[in-house]
Amino acid sequence: NAGVTQTPKFQVLKTGQSMTLQCAQDMNHNSMYWYRQDPGMGLRLIYYSASEGTTDKGEVPNGYNVSRLNKREFSLRLESAAPSQTSVYFCASRISGGEAFFGQGTRLTVV
Amino acid sequence: KQEVTQIPAALSVPEGENLVLNCSFTDSAIYNLQWFRQDPGKGLTSLLLIQSSQREQTSGRLNASLDKSSGRSTLYIAASQPGDSATYLCAVRTSGAGSYQLTFGKGTKLSVIP
Repeated sequence: NAGVTQTPKFQVLKTGQSMTLQCAQDMNHNSMYWYRQDPGMGLRLIYYSASEGTTDKGEVPNGYNVSRLNKREFSLRLESAAPSQTSVYFCASRISGGEAFFGQGTRLTVV
Repeated sequence: KQEVTQIPAALSVPEGENLVLNCSFTDSAIYNLQWFRQDPGKGLTSLLLIQSSQREQTSGRLNASLDKSSGRSTLYIAASQPGDSATYLCAVRTSGAGSYQLTFGKGTKLSVIP
């Protein structure tokens, strides 16, 4: 049982480049989330999807877009990367009323 | 807006000691509270989930309690081991608008000294 799988695990981008972070879960969970984790700031919610077909902004959505491709997959896109987006990105999923499960993270550096 | 605080930010204890980690939250209207463990460079591992109607949950050497009215939760670790060294995070799911969101504390970094 893979749980929540994120790709890639590491990425270096130049300022202005774009990329998509992929996330897939095999637990038939309804809700999926994207967080970023920065030293001293903790985990902050970027976007979430309460169910297939819906997405909503979290605390820090600027500079990001998301797509809930189907029930399993939730992608995060950086259209024009900036150094301030250097961070560790985590995807999570949760069934209604249940505990959240996290992926192993994507370490992104924007130079 | 829900705010979650974890004190202390870091804790060092000798092996075998029992310890308590604290989590407080400002809005008591919550659905549940979840404790996680994070090892350096890794993702978050779920430890315990407490629903708002529950007072405590236990898993092995871990016991989490919830006092919703006072906005507090504790994670008790019995007979600590070096392998318990990690950062422990609590997260709250608040009722009402934005109820799908989890709000995290900044964590307590635990070091268990052999």
